[in-house]
Amino acid sequence: DVKVTQSSRYLVKRTGEKVFLECVQDMDHENMFWYRQDPGLGLRLIYFSYDVKMKEKGDIPEGYSVSREKKERFSLILESASTNQTSMYLCASSLTASGGPGEQYFGPGTRLTVT
Amino acid sequence: GESVGLHLPTLSVQEGDNSIINCAYSNSASDYFIWYKQESGKGPQFIIDIRSNMDKRQGQRVTVLLNKTVKHLSLQIAATQPGDSAVYFCAENLSNQGGKLIFGQGTELSVKP
Repeated sequence: DVKVTQSSRYLVKRTGEKVFLECVQDMDHENMFWYRQDPGLGLRLIYFSYDVKMKEKGDIPEGYSVSREKKERFSLILESASTNQTSMYLCASSLTASGGPGEQYFGPGTRLTVT
Repeated sequence: GESVGLHLPTLSVQEGDNSIINCAYSNSASDYFIWYKQESGKGPQFIIDIRSNMDKRQGQRVTVLLNKTVKHLSLQIAATQPGDSAVYFCAENLSNQGGKLIFGQGTELSVKP
């Protein structure tokens, strides 16, 4: 079974802190994604990556950055956390070569609260 | 801007009945569609997918129907069980957008025993 793990289930940070959310997948998937999920808004794509050291902006990249130094790990960084970044963050990975469409496997999520 | 406090569409069914969850997708160029189930406190889990060259696909107790004419997708769950209670999301992939998925708002399914 594919396993996508996220470093924390719950996280509380203060406004202005730098926050790192880590995601690791164990199936040698090419593609990795970061979403945030807010009530009534579904999943919104923040950033994604089709290869090591490669990143693309999603629909809501403002206030976030990412890092993919190794194929299995995709990190989401909040440079200076703000209260409007309080949300559930979901990481996903998919296998399809060349970024083609395919099933995305999700991690359990990190519920981040910024106070 | 964002809307706060939006309520998910909800569907309440009796245990044993069939459920139909509907989804209108946005882009006629979408060529791949997928349904996810998300239980409380968990990440979304894959249920079933369908490509645009198909109208119907069946899995175990689930069927997805695709009507490209009206850009409509539905998920049918046969003999709904309490364990089916969750939020269900449809997602579409645009043919020129690589592996990106665009997710719908979600529908909350509640199964009454």
